[in-house]
Amino acid sequence: AQRVTQPEKLLSVFKGAPVELKCNYSYSGSPELFWYVQYSRQRLQLLLRHISRESIKGFTADLNKGETSFHLKKPFAQEEDSAMYYCALLPGGGADGLTFGKGTHLIIQP
Amino acid sequence: DTGVSQNPRHKITKRGQNVTFRCDPISEHNRLYWYRQTLGQGPEFLTYFQNEAQLEKSRLLSDRFSAERPKGSFSTLEIQRTEQGDSAMYLCASSPTSGRTYEQYFGPGTRLTVT
Repeated sequence: AQRVTQPEKLLSVFKGAPVELKCNYSYSGSPELFWYVQYSRQRLQLLLRHISRESIKGFTADLNKGETSFHLKKPFAQEEDSAMYYCALLPGGGADGLTFGKGTHLIIQP
Repeated sequence: DTGVSQNPRHKITKRGQNVTFRCDPISEHNRLYWYRQTLGQGPEFLTYFQNEAQLEKSRLLSDRFSAERPKGSFSTLEIQRTEQGDSAMYLCASSPTSGRTYEQYFGPGTRLTVT
């Protein structure tokens, strides 16, 4: 069975500092990896997909198959980045239910 | 608002009672998902529909849980003989079958409290 691990429940950084939210996964096949974000009093929404290799709101994430990691990074944090971030895995092969990590609460201090 | 909607938003029930939640997906989406989220955890997948067909069920979906999507539009999730361990946020999501098919759009959730 697949598993997603986010080792940090809480991450607090100052505005302008770099941010890295860690995500490791275990799965025997070739999964798709995503980052979802939930801002205060808003719905869970997709932030990034590994295949897209794009930057959204200044965030990027690279899939490292050797280390089975998909860390989320941003060079300069902004206060509006404060939110809950969830890493999620889609096993593929016809299975469509996402497996989520427990989430990291990111707080950007002014 | 044309997003995913869920009703009710909050439900308090006594142990042993049955409860039913409703999810209305985005109108052109034919894939629908149910997840459960408990405090301090990420969402956990329960089940998935493509149109009216239930294609995938998690082992978390015990015999007391049943989900339907009779006409391929809205879906209901029923929990029979509720237990305190069923207290959670129940999330519904939908996704399209063309374009960004990988993106699941989440509803606001139904928070269930079993006393």
